[in-house]
Amino acid sequence: AQKVTQAQTEISVVEKEDVTLDCVYETRDTTYYLFWYKQPPSGELVFLIRRNSFDEQNEISGRYSWNFQKSTSSFNFTITASQVVDSAVYFCALKTSYDKVIFGPGTSLSVIP
Amino acid sequence: ETGVTQSPTHLIKTRGQQVTLRCSSQSGHNTVSWYQQALGQGPQFIFQYYREEENGRGNFPPRFSGLQFPNYSSELNVNALELDDSALYLCASSFGTSGRETQYFGPGTRLLVL
Repeated sequence: AQKVTQAQTEISVVEKEDVTLDCVYETRDTTYYLFWYKQPPSGELVFLIRRNSFDEQNEISGRYSWNFQKSTSSFNFTITASQVVDSAVYFCALKTSYDKVIFGPGTSLSVIP
Repeated sequence: ETGVTQSPTHLIKTRGQQVTLRCSSQSGHNTVSWYQQALGQGPQFIFQYYREEENGRGNFPPRFSGLQFPNYSSELNVNALELDDSALYLCASSFGTSGRETQYFGPGTRLLVL
């Protein structure tokens, strides 16, 4: 069975601090895809990144970076120099080739000015 | 290129009633997936439609049904509403069903069942 765990329910940081959001997944499939989505208070899920199981290369996009480690089944997300606009709920999600997308429970991030 | 749109934005119904939610997929996308997101939880997959056929279903009862139209827009119908159906309903569109596709979400419909 597939499962996504986001152990951090809520995180508060002061603006300009770095913050890492943890994601641990479970699957027996060898081919799978991992996603991060951001959900601001408006409710719309905003796509941030997709990573497939064969590509363990870390990725950086501006202040965002992602660390994918198959050995620990983790796909962590780091925001550098956080800003108030980063305040949102962040979801990690898993999809195997022919199965539905499984979302984690989400981590609520509050960035305090 | 237009994004995913959903209507209505908010809806209030009473227990036992029926509701229809609508979704227009992003331009060029032929697959629509529906999710239910209860307060404080992650989205839960309801079902997916590809080329007007249901292409996968989550653990939801048959009173949750859907349609996809030739223009790839979609409807979610819920019969015999229950209080626990109160949630944010999200629609996501994508191209194809290979598994590699990324889903893009609409703003959602907030349903309150009294």
